[in-house]
Amino acid sequence: AQSVAQPEDQVNVAEGNPLTVKCTYSVSGNPYLFWYVQYPNRGLQFLLKYITGDNLVKGSYGFEAEFNKSQTSFHLKKPSALVSDSALYFCAVRDLRNFNKFYFGSGTKLNVKP
Amino acid sequence: GAGVSQTPSNKVTEKGKYVELRCDPISGHTALYWYRQSLGQGPEFLIYFQGTGAADDSGLPNDRFFAVRPEGSVSTLKIQRTERGDSAVYLCASSPSSGSTDTQYFGPGTRLTVL
Repeated sequence: AQSVAQPEDQVNVAEGNPLTVKCTYSVSGNPYLFWYVQYPNRGLQFLLKYITGDNLVKGSYGFEAEFNKSQTSFHLKKPSALVSDSALYFCAVRDLRNFNKFYFGSGTKLNVKP
Repeated sequence: GAGVSQTPSNKVTEKGKYVELRCDPISGHTALYWYRQSLGQGPEFLIYFQGTGAADDSGLPNDRFFAVRPEGSVSTLKIQRTERGDSAVYLCASSPSSGSTDTQYFGPGTRLTVL
């Protein structure tokens, strides 16, 4: 079965510091991985995805994610956090046997303090 | 352009009542998905439409839940005999097709509260 895990419920960082939000995955075959962000009372917004190619994927708002096959991880990163980055972040994997389904992690709340 | 829209944004109902939740996908998107997001959890897949037909409804929790997309655009999620456990945010997403690399674009959700 396809699944993702986000081991941290919450991540706290100071503005200007680098941030990492962790995600590990379990899939059979090659993974299609996604990151979404959710602001209060808003829908999920797409940040970036890994399908194939370079392990470092660049996305919206200065975010990037590193695909690591040996560690089955797809951590979200940003070199310098902004207070406005504070939100809920979800990692997701697409079921390759069934392209219709996304499996989401439980989410990580990012708090960026000024 | 316009994104995915969902109405109502909030719905409060009483146990046992019937509710309908509406989703307007991005124009031209053929694939449409419904998810349910409970408090503190990630979205859980409910049903997927390709065009007018429900191609995969394996995520619907029971036969009280039903969804339609009669003209291949707007979709309605219908819940009969609502229960308190149905309280959640119901998210709709659309994508240009069902291709494996396609991104899903989400609406703001409908928060359903069953009293």
